[in-house]
Amino acid sequence: ELKVEQNPLFLSMQEGKNYTIYCNYSTTSDRLYWYRQDPGKSLESLFVLLSNGAVKQEGRLMASLDTKARLSTLHITAAVHDLSATYFCAVTNYGGSQGNLIFGKGTKLSVKP
Amino acid sequence: GAVVSQHPSWVICKSGTSVKIECRSLDFQATTMFWYRQFPKQSLMLMATSNEGSKATYEQGVEKDKFLINHASLTLSTLTVTSAHPEDSSFYICSARDPGTVIVGEKLFFGSGTQLSVL
Repeated sequence: ELKVEQNPLFLSMQEGKNYTIYCNYSTTSDRLYWYRQDPGKSLESLFVLLSNGAVKQEGRLMASLDTKARLSTLHITAAVHDLSATYFCAVTNYGGSQGNLIFGKGTKLSVKP
Repeated sequence: GAVVSQHPSWVICKSGTSVKIECRSLDFQATTMFWYRQFPKQSLMLMATSNEGSKATYEQGVEKDKFLINHASLTLSTLTVTSAHPEDSSFYICSARDPGTVIVGEKLFFGSGTQLSVL
């Protein structure tokens, strides 16, 4: 059974600081997704990582994937208040229903001035 | 880019009534759509996979007679919560895969979600 674990689950940080969110998954998968969710809203796609060593950056967020370690990271650089949200990683479940996604529990990020 | 439209955004209903939620892919044809449920401050849990022209596939523990799924066309899937009870109150989100993106990253697009409150 594919499991996805994120840590930390809660993250309070000051503006301007850097931090990393970690996402581990239990079985082989070559597609990992990062999403952002604001309260009461749906999911906004941030990154799709397809291969070992993949690195993608958008603004202050950078995501990477190590398929051998089954680990993805979402690095936040010089955080700003607008980044406050819940971030989910998700992995394609090839053993499940036609490739649905299995989500981590999410990391609630709060950036304080 | 591809968009998935979900309606309604929120609904309040009395216990025992049924509620229908629609999920439409606006600019691509989706043979497969997924329905997720999210309880407050929790992650998304897959409920069922909706297949165009055939029966939905339900995840373990999800009652197929309570959560009726119909995928009658390549652009529309509906989820009907029958005889709703307060414990069914949740945020329901649909997603659809754009088959045109299989090679470049297989993007899954999510609807805006439906907040269901059963009184």
